[in-house]
Amino acid sequence: QSVLTQPPSTSGTPGQRITISCSGSNSNVGKNPVNWYQQHPGAAPKLLIFNFNQRPSGVPERFSGSRSDTSASLAIDGLQSEDVAHYYCVAWDDSVNGYVFGTGTEVSVL
Amino acid sequence: DVRLEESGGKTEQPGRSLRLSCEASGFTFSSYSMNWVRQAPGKGLEWISYISGGGETTYYADSLEGRFVVSRDNAKKSLYLQMNRLRADDTAVYYCTRDILIPSGRFFDNWGQGALVTVSS
Repeated sequence: QSVLTQPPSTSGTPGQRITISCSGSNSNVGKNPVNWYQQHPGAAPKLLIFNFNQRPSGVPERFSGSRSDTSASLAIDGLQSEDVAHYYCVAWDDSVNGYVFGTGTEVSVL
Repeated sequence: DVRLEESGGKTEQPGRSLRLSCEASGFTFSSYSMNWVRQAPGKGLEWISYISGGGETTYYADSLEGRFVVSRDNAKKSLYLQMNRLRADDTAVYYCTRDILIPSGRFFDNWGQGALVTVSS
């Protein structure tokens, strides 16, 4: 199954803005909405962003998403210690009739 | 509140079969497509299966090589994953997720807490 490419890790200081990239292809990111999930250690993933840039109720406004061609990005403005987690992008892929996940990015706070 | 609860996870030997269940509550189960997603220890997330609300449409990840079968019983508000010819690399936490379809695409909104399947002799 094809996967979406994310950087393995990124970090920032408290209050800093960080971004996580998600690179795909025309059959997934380039055609269908990208969604983002946050996963804390030992917990199930939680929906963070859907349809590129929409936040479910309860998700802070400092989380935002965007897309350009076959790449998407998640931004965290004002990084906080509670943001330490793994983040995954995912999109439906028309060529395989299924979802494809990103490789995951571990976020740490310095 | 939407609630998804997986069960059936256990340690099983290679080559054997296992069935996972996911019991849903808090929403009209038959109106939603569902998915299974798994996560091997220390690894990322992998989508493995989709089933439509009525059960008539199913999709699977190529990596399963036809060994798994997804089904549902809407009267029991339950989703199932029949796992056959288990292999060591099937060892993972298995999550059921609710699928949401919007005009521009789809995503999963709710996840269960996961069921651990360990394949080992």
